[in-house]
Amino acid sequence: SQQGEEDPQALSIQEGENATMNCSYKTSINNLQWYRQNSGRGLVHLILIRSNEREKHSGRLRVTLDTSKKSSSLLITASRAADTASYFCATDNSPGGGNKLTFGTGTQLKVEL
Amino acid sequence: DTAVSQTPKYLVTQMGNDKSIKCEQNLGHDTMYWYKQDSKKFLKIMFSYNNKELIINETVPNRFSPKSPDKAHLNLHINSLELGDSAVYFCASSQWLNEKLFFGSGTQLSVL
Repeated sequence: SQQGEEDPQALSIQEGENATMNCSYKTSINNLQWYRQNSGRGLVHLILIRSNEREKHSGRLRVTLDTSKKSSSLLITASRAADTASYFCATDNSPGGGNKLTFGTGTQLKVEL
Repeated sequence: DTAVSQTPKYLVTQMGNDKSIKCEQNLGHDTMYWYKQDSKKFLKIMFSYNNKELIINETVPNRFSPKSPDKAHLNLHINSLELGDSAVYFCASSQWLNEKLFFGSGTQLSVL
């Protein structure tokens, strides 16, 4: 089974609204990362949060991590049409996880004008 | 200057053929990866190399063979291609294992 699963699978909002995506995972982690993938392109790293951190900010992005619930959320504030993409969480659960970075199933975000 | 570049971008081939995908990074990273993304966008690690040494070898058919001639290059050779190999293959690199990966733009492989 997959380590990370995003929720919702798809999200459609209006420009200017906030978008929240959630990620749940199963095993202990060293860190959790969020990536963005535009259609037909490679993934772009957005933010990394370590297991001993609870919240991180980067520009319009805010990531929270709750290790007791094994979940993370990504908030994009004041969304723009250019934020339309798929968003993936990825967990590093080394060493117990065999040195793998495991990606979730992704949330497809559409921001409409 | 593209940080992680992989070629070709598209690869269309017949079943049974052998093909290679090349990857180069100019970021000075020690770690490189190959990931496979299926039609449902699920991304799975295939191989990881650190300083030319194989450190992750997932459950991948031995028709897939990675080769790292130096730490800036990681190529993927696939023998006897099958229909199920059709996917997008991504090369990536990072300075530290499993932290902040830089991805190439992908190679879309179609096996007919």
